[in-house]
Amino acid sequence: QQPVQSPQAVILREGEDAVINCSSSKALYSVHWYRQKHGEAPVFLMILLKGGEQKGHDKISASFNEKKQQSSLYLTASQLSYSGTYFCGTEWIAAGNKLTFGGGTRVLVKP
Amino acid sequence: GAVVSQHPSRVICKSGTSVKIECRSLDFQATTMFWYRQFPKQSLMLMATSNEGSKATYEQGVEKDKFLINHASLTLSTLTVTSAHPEDSSFYICSARDIVASSYNEQFFGPGTRLTVL
Repeated sequence: QQPVQSPQAVILREGEDAVINCSSSKALYSVHWYRQKHGEAPVFLMILLKGGEQKGHDKISASFNEKKQQSSLYLTASQLSYSGTYFCGTEWIAAGNKLTFGGGTRVLVKP
Repeated sequence: GAVVSQHPSRVICKSGTSVKIECRSLDFQATTMFWYRQFPKQSLMLMATSNEGSKATYEQGVEKDKFLINHASLTLSTLTVTSAHPEDSSFYICSARDIVASSYNEQFFGPGTRLTVL
C-alpha cells in the first residue's frame, strides 16, 4: 500500500516556504525523499531513519514522526531550482530493503 | 557520489519484439538493484528486486516471464521486456544501493529508459 503524500501540488513564489507530508499506514523503518525533474531520474535528497538519524541535503530539512508514521519535507526560502515532483519512498520494517513510493507532490516555484 | 547508468536511454520498437535494458553501477558494487516503471505523471512502481547471483523477486502483478531480469555481476543488471506490446510503453528506471560505502539504504537511480512500443 502506497504512502500518502500531501499536497498533490503546490505553487510558490521564490523565497516562500512549503511543507510536503508523507503518511504511512504501516510501521516505518525509514523514509527517503527524492526530487524528479520532468523526463529525468529521481535525485536523492534525504533519508530519515527510525530512531532519529538523518542523512541528506544541507538546504532541505525533514522530520520523521514515529508515532504518527509520518514524515514532512520542508522547502525553505525556495529557489527556482526547487521545482519538480517530490516523492517520498518508505521502507517498512518487515519489507526488507525495497522502497514504496508515494504519489508525488508537484512543486512549481515562480519568480 | 554513486553513479548508475542505463542503456539505452530511449528505444522505439515494433509490437512483438523483445527489448533489453542495461543498468550498471559505475563506481561501486551493487548486490541489489531495483527495477521501477513509471507512467506519465504517476509514481514509481517497483517491478522487481534484482539480486546478484540469484533469482529476482517480483512484485505482485508483475509477470516474471514477460519482464526477465538477470543480475549477472555486481555491477550489471538487465531487464528484458519480451514480446513487447503498446501497453508496455513506459519509463523504466533502475536503482542500486552502495552497501559498502554507506550503511544507509539510499538508492541511486539511473537516468531511465523511455520505451515506446508501436
